[in-house]
Amino acid sequence: EDQVTQSPEALRLQEGESSSLNCSYTVSGLRGLFWYRQDPGKGPEFLFTLYSAGEEKEKERLKATLTKKESFLHITAPKPEDSATYLCAASSNDYKLSFGAGTTVTVRA
Amino acid sequence: ETGVTQTPRHLVMGMTNKKSLKCEQHLGHNAMYWYKQSAKKPLELMFVYSLEERVENNSVPSRFSPECPNSSHLFLHLHTLQPEDSALYLCASSQGTGGGTYNSPLHFGNGTRLTVT
Repeated sequence: EDQVTQSPEALRLQEGESSSLNCSYTVSGLRGLFWYRQDPGKGPEFLFTLYSAGEEKEKERLKATLTKKESFLHITAPKPEDSATYLCAASSNDYKLSFGAGTTVTVRA
Repeated sequence: ETGVTQTPRHLVMGMTNKKSLKCEQHLGHNAMYWYKQSAKKPLELMFVYSLEERVENNSVPSRFSPECPNSSHLFLHLHTLQPEDSALYLCASSQGTGGGTYNSPLHFGNGTRLTVT
């Protein structure tokens, strides 16, 4: 059975304190790994898609990387506006999309 | 309007009521989805429509009934719900059909917060 696990469940950072979120996946043939950001009271917002091990994508203070077993979302010098829940999801060769439970990031000024 | 719009934003209903959730997408996408989001749990896929045809029904109880009259509109009809059905219900859309439906980024609405009393 496909499974996506995110850690940690919650992360509290000081402004400027860089850190990484982990997304481990077990799927039957990865077709794509997605990252989303969700603010309170809103739906998830698409950030990145990664397709193959070694691929990296960046957007402002966020960088997503992918290996054969996991993906990382690196947050460099975060600001309070980076506070959100970050979700990852993996699509598989048998046409399933599995989400993780998310990591809630709080950045204090 | 742009993106994916869901109404109502909040809904409180008794277990004997009948209500409907509405979703509209203005992105020209081919596929639409209903997801259930409960606290600290992964998003649960409920239904998928691709080109207005239901392609997935993820073992969802019959008290939830989807309807997709065209590629821009999606409804979720609710009746005889249980308190454990209280959750955030998210609608999403994406490009692609068939297997490609699951490999395109999802664009979500802001959800309907449902409380069943």
